Amino acid sequence: DGGITQSPKYLFRKEGQNVTLSCEQNLNHDAMYWYRQDPGQGLRLIYYSQIVNDFQKGDIAEGYSVSREKKESFPLTVTSAQKNPTAFYLCASSTDRGGQPQHFGDGTRLSIL
Amino acid sequence: AQSVTQLDSHVSVSEGTPVLLRCNYSSSYSPSLFWYVQHPNKGLQLLLKYTSAATLVKGINGFEAEFKKSETSFHLTKPSAHMSDAAEYFCVVSEEGNNQGGKLIFGQGTELSVKP
Repeated sequence: DGGITQSPKYLFRKEGQNVTLSCEQNLNHDAMYWYRQDPGQGLRLIYYSQIVNDFQKGDIAEGYSVSREKKESFPLTVTSAQKNPTAFYLCASSTDRGGQPQHFGDGTRLSIL
Repeated sequence: AQSVTQLDSHVSVSEGTPVLLRCNYSSSYSPSLFWYVQHPNKGLQLLLKYTSAATLVKGINGFEAEFKKSETSFHLTKPSAHMSDAAEYFCVVSEEGNNQGGKLIFGQGTELSVKP
């Protein structure tokens, strides 16, 4: 079955440490997205990519970085510059045609030790 | 600017009674609208989508939504709630304009509780 795989499901970070969240899709989608979700809030867009080797900042990109070297992969690095990284992170993909729904992975929950 | 407003942060119903989750949107164009459901510690699952075809949209698990342009609403309904419907529900609109990369705008979510 096609879908989006996020790993790990739970991740712990020490202060001052960078961590990378994995997102892989086999849906052959051009566009991929990273969201952050905090309790009681909607989703906020961190970064998105419409095509390989290109990506754009979303609404809350500070303290995060991404790469898009392959169509199926869009890893997110949470850097030490992100002062409040504890959250639920969701990856999504879509066909990048306007008005189309996004397909979501099951998320990674990041906590600070 | 586009926006989505979910009018209730929390809705509680009894099992077997109807569900109504309210959503208003603002958009200059004829938008694409979606409802997603999220169970705890899970990703979002698409319930249904409106893309300028029929105004009454049927989705999975017995849910449906009606697009009302005059009221700028896209409320989600289900005739009879089941315990498994307890979850967070998000109303979503596609961002307008060219070259938006398929970006979506999410409402703040409505938590649905179902009592036995």
